[in-house]
Amino acid sequence: AQTVTQSQPEMSVQEAETVTLSCTYDTSENNYYLFWYKQPPSRQMILVIRQEAYKQQNATENRFSVNFQKAAKSFSLKISDSQLGDTAMYFCAFMKSSPQIQGAQKLVFGQGTRLTINP
Amino acid sequence: GAGVSQTPSNKVTEKGKYVELRCDPISGHTALYWYRQSLGQGPEFLIYFQGTGAADDSGLPNDRFFAVRPEGSVSTLKIQRTERGDSAVYLCASSLSDRVADTQYFGPGTRLTVL
Repeated sequence: AQTVTQSQPEMSVQEAETVTLSCTYDTSENNYYLFWYKQPPSRQMILVIRQEAYKQQNATENRFSVNFQKAAKSFSLKISDSQLGDTAMYFCAFMKSSPQIQGAQKLVFGQGTRLTINP
Repeated sequence: GAGVSQTPSNKVTEKGKYVELRCDPISGHTALYWYRQSLGQGPEFLIYFQGTGAADDSGLPNDRFFAVRPEGSVSTLKIQRTERGDSAVYLCASSLSDRVADTQYFGPGTRLTVL
């Protein structure tokens, strides 16, 4: 079974600073997807960024980028120029890549990191 | 367009009662997922539908939990004989299809409290 671990329960930075959230995972699969989701107090999970394991290039979305280290099974999220609106819970998640595999469509989430951006 | 909607937003019930939680997916999305998020935890998969059929119900904790999607759109999660341990936020998500490349879009969830 796959597991996802986020070792930082809480983080706090000043507005405009850069912050990195850590995530490690365990799997025997070779092909898979990794995701970072944001959950503000409204409870709605919002996709921030995704990475396909077979792609060596790290994914980027504006101020958000990842550092994907496949051999180390590490998938960290970097938020540059942090903004007050970035305050939320952040969840790292894993998904198998082949629809033929049982359970391929389900996301496996970590425990989350509560990020606070201070003015 | 409209996102995934879930009703009710909050539900308080007494131990032993029956509850139904509703999910309206994004129009045209054929795949629908239910997750449960306990306090301080990440969401955990319960069940997913492709069309009207439950393609994977391996996450349902026991036979008190049941979900349906009779017309391939709206889904209802049903919990019988509720227990205090069922208290959680129940999240619904939908995607265009069940291809893993398709993003899952989440609703705001239903917070269930069992007294």
